[in-house]
Amino acid sequence: DTGVSQDPRHKITKRGQNVTFRCDPISEHNRLYWYRQTLGQGPEFLTYFQNEAQLEKSRLLSDRFSAERPKGSFSTLEIQRTEQGDSAMYLCASSLGLAGGFTDTQYFGPGTRLTVL
Amino acid sequence: AQKITQTQPGMFVQEKEAVTLDCTYDTSDQSYGLFWYKQPSSGEMIFLIYQGSYDEQNATEGRYSLNFQKARKSANLVISASQLGDSAMYFCAMREWNYGQNFVFGPGTRLSVLP
Repeated sequence: DTGVSQDPRHKITKRGQNVTFRCDPISEHNRLYWYRQTLGQGPEFLTYFQNEAQLEKSRLLSDRFSAERPKGSFSTLEIQRTEQGDSAMYLCASSLGLAGGFTDTQYFGPGTRLTVL
Repeated sequence: AQKITQTQPGMFVQEKEAVTLDCTYDTSDQSYGLFWYKQPSSGEMIFLIYQGSYDEQNATEGRYSLNFQKARKSANLVISASQLGDSAMYFCAMREWNYGQNFVFGPGTRLSVLP
């Protein structure tokens, strides 16, 4: 399978705990994105990386959230001191980046569903 | 103001019939791209079709076509010959050249295909 993969697919945690999600993009893709999707809504942009550089962060990304892409390949998204409002689907996507031109289609992974009790 | 509007929260269509899902957008940018994604109940977002703001022809991909009306700022998705497997959420998204690389998504339309 050469698509975007995410791990875990489901995570249940108690309020106040830290959680970390992993995303493995399509291998030749330079850009990696994180989105959050709550029930009944479209995905909302959180942050994106061009190789290992984090180039853009949404105001949705509070200081409890941190994302890394240390070697320009896989990425992790960590949420510290989780709150019930963090319950959502966390989607990762990747794209070719500059090589993709303006079309630069984003391809999504299956998501990680987080439930904070 | 909403950047992407999808006015149909839910749609029903008979199998083998065509259906149009509406999408209007708001941008002051001259360069932008419009994308449609399908999200089945499994959760994965599946790319369907792309239309660039400078493309003169409407995009088509198999049973999917995009009815692009630039002056009206609409980019409706047309699915021909609906199949039961088309039942899913459908999201319209936009990327604006001057506003970074992220997509802005609409609220989605839930399509149900009836046998």
